[in-house]
Amino acid sequence: QAGLTQPPSVSKDLRQTATLTCTGNSNNVGDQGAAWLQQHQGHPPKLLSYRDHNRPSGISERFSASRSGNTASLTITGLQPEDEADYYCSAWDSSLSARVFGGGTKLTVL
Amino acid sequence: QVQLQESGPGLVKPSETLSLTCTVSGYSINSGYYWGWIRQPPGKGLEWIGSVYHSGSTYYNPSLKSRVTISQDTSKNQVSLKLISVTAADTAVYYCARDATSLDVWGKGTTVTVSS
Repeated sequence: QAGLTQPPSVSKDLRQTATLTCTGNSNNVGDQGAAWLQQHQGHPPKLLSYRDHNRPSGISERFSASRSGNTASLTITGLQPEDEADYYCSAWDSSLSARVFGGGTKLTVL
Repeated sequence: QVQLQESGPGLVKPSETLSLTCTVSGYSINSGYYWGWIRQPPGKGLEWIGSVYHSGSTYYNPSLKSRVTISQDTSKNQVSLKLISVTAADTAVYYCARDATSLDVWGKGTTVTVSS
């Protein structure tokens, strides 16, 4: 199954800004938009944003998402220790009629 | 609030069938949305297995389609997963999730080990 492409790891300093990327194609990210999920070790994923830039209630404004063409981005401002986690992007692929995930990015807050 | 709880055997023998149930509380699955299964092998990323719509229609991961069946029991407000002919590669944490605009509500997950 064709997946979405994410960098395996990103490291940033405390209180800095991290931008994570997710690249798909015109059948998934470019068509249906992307969602972002955060997963801490030993816990289920948590939805951070959906349809490119919408935030569920209760999600901090420090998390903002966007999309340009077939690439989605998640920007986290004012990095905190609790932001250290794995981040996954996801999209519905209209050609596969299936949901696809990125491989995940491990964010380290230094 | 909507809550999902996965249940089923934690150990399955190779070549046998993995069967899991997701019990939904706080929302009637008959009212709408997709309800999906996702798995995560140890130390690896998320893999979508498939979803069932409230109407009963299903969508599956093409790589698992020949082995997977997802169904719903609206009388019990449950969604079920069956995966046949399992191997060690099917060892994972299995999650169920509500797929509204995206995967917005998740269960805590259940660990399934395939081993003799």
